[in-house]
Amino acid sequence: AQTVTQSQPEMSVQEAETVTLSCTYDTSESDYYLFWYKQPPSRQMILVIRQEAYKQQNATENRFSVNFQKAAKSFSLKISDSQLGDAAMYFCASNTGNQFYFGTGTSLTVIP
Amino acid sequence: DAGVIQSPRHEVTEMGQEVTLRCKPISGHDYLFWYRQTMMRGLELLIYFNNNVPIDDSGMPEDRFSAKMPNASFSTLKIQPSEPRDSAVYFCASRRSGGNYEQYFGPGTRLTVT
Repeated sequence: AQTVTQSQPEMSVQEAETVTLSCTYDTSESDYYLFWYKQPPSRQMILVIRQEAYKQQNATENRFSVNFQKAAKSFSLKISDSQLGDAAMYFCASNTGNQFYFGTGTSLTVIP
Repeated sequence: DAGVIQSPRHEVTEMGQEVTLRCKPISGHDYLFWYRQTMMRGLELLIYFNNNVPIDDSGMPEDRFSAKMPNASFSTLKIQPSEPRDSAVYFCASRRSGGNYEQYFGPGTRLTVT
């Protein structure tokens, strides 16, 4: 089984600033995917960004980017130019085949 | 295209009652997943189906929980009898074969058992 660890239960960031959310995972698989999901107060799970483990290039989606360190099994999320709408729980997840393994989440507060 | 649809959005019931949660996956998706989210345990996979067939139900907590998928566009998760510790948010998610394994989540059903 895989494990996913998010060591920051809560984070805060000033509006327009940059914040990085940490995630580490443990897997013996060679082929897997990594995801960051956002869960706002509406509780809808929304995919933020995805990384294929075989790709060395870090994924980027507008203001969201990842720092994927495969050897260290680290997958952090960077949010640039933070906006009030970014306030949410953020879950890191890894998957092999059909099994998704989620971290415990990081609650992000954006300060106006 | 409509996303994953779940009903009801909220359910309040008394201990011992039967509860049925419903899910309609995205059209064309052949995998369907049921998750439970609680503060204590986070997001847990309960069961998943492929082409309407249950593949892995090892996450189903007890015999009180059962899930069915009678056709490609409908699935139910049933709890009978319900207990207060079943109170949680239950998510349904779906995805299609191949691709990038991204799962699309429904809005969830918040279940409260009193």
